[in-house]
Amino acid sequence: KQEVTQIPAALSVPEGENLVLNCSFTDSAIYNLQWFRQDPGKGLTSLLLIQSSQREQTSGRLNASLDKSSGRSTLYIAASQPGDSATYLCAVRISNSNSGYALNFGKGTSLLVTP
Amino acid sequence: DAGVTQSPTHLIKTRGQHVTLRCSPISGHKSVSWYQQVLGQGPQFIFQYYEKEERGRGNFPDRFSARQFPNYSSELNVNALLLGDSALYLCASSPRAGTYEQYFGPGTRLTVT
Repeated sequence: KQEVTQIPAALSVPEGENLVLNCSFTDSAIYNLQWFRQDPGKGLTSLLLIQSSQREQTSGRLNASLDKSSGRSTLYIAASQPGDSATYLCAVRISNSNSGYALNFGKGTSLLVTP
Repeated sequence: DAGVTQSPTHLIKTRGQHVTLRCSPISGHKSVSWYQQVLGQGPQFIFQYYEKEERGRGNFPDRFSARQFPNYSSELNVNALLLGDSALYLCASSPRAGTYEQYFGPGTRLTVT
């Protein structure tokens, strides 16, 4: 069974800092990995999708890396802003006979960026 | 273009009742997936539908069922509601089933009292 773990569970940083969020998964046989942002009580916004053959993806101040063999991904946020405050979720896509190509999520990292 | 839409936004039900949640995918997307997110946890996969057929099912009891219509919209039905069914129910759409990127709707907040 695929287990997805996100560390730390919560993080508070002052505005302007660069930060790294970590995600690990137990089964390296993944198709891709997605990072999402979730504001309180809201749906998920997709930030970055990394295919299993890729090493990293970048979008603006965000950079996500993937090391499939070690079962790890990191989300790097440069020059953090108060508007980045949200919960960040990591999800891996695997395939099995029951769930098809479902996303398996971690519990998320709650980020607070203080002015 | 409109994103994934879900209705209703919020819902309060009593234990033992039945509930129907609705989802409309992004225009052109033919696959819809449902997830349950309990407070403080990551979303858990419930169902995936593509071209009106079930393509995946998570580890949920038979009280949970879903269907997809010819216009690719979808309904999630939950019977005999329990307090533990209180959660945010998220719908995601993708062009097809498989490994495509999924786009999520705003969710329906279900409270069971």
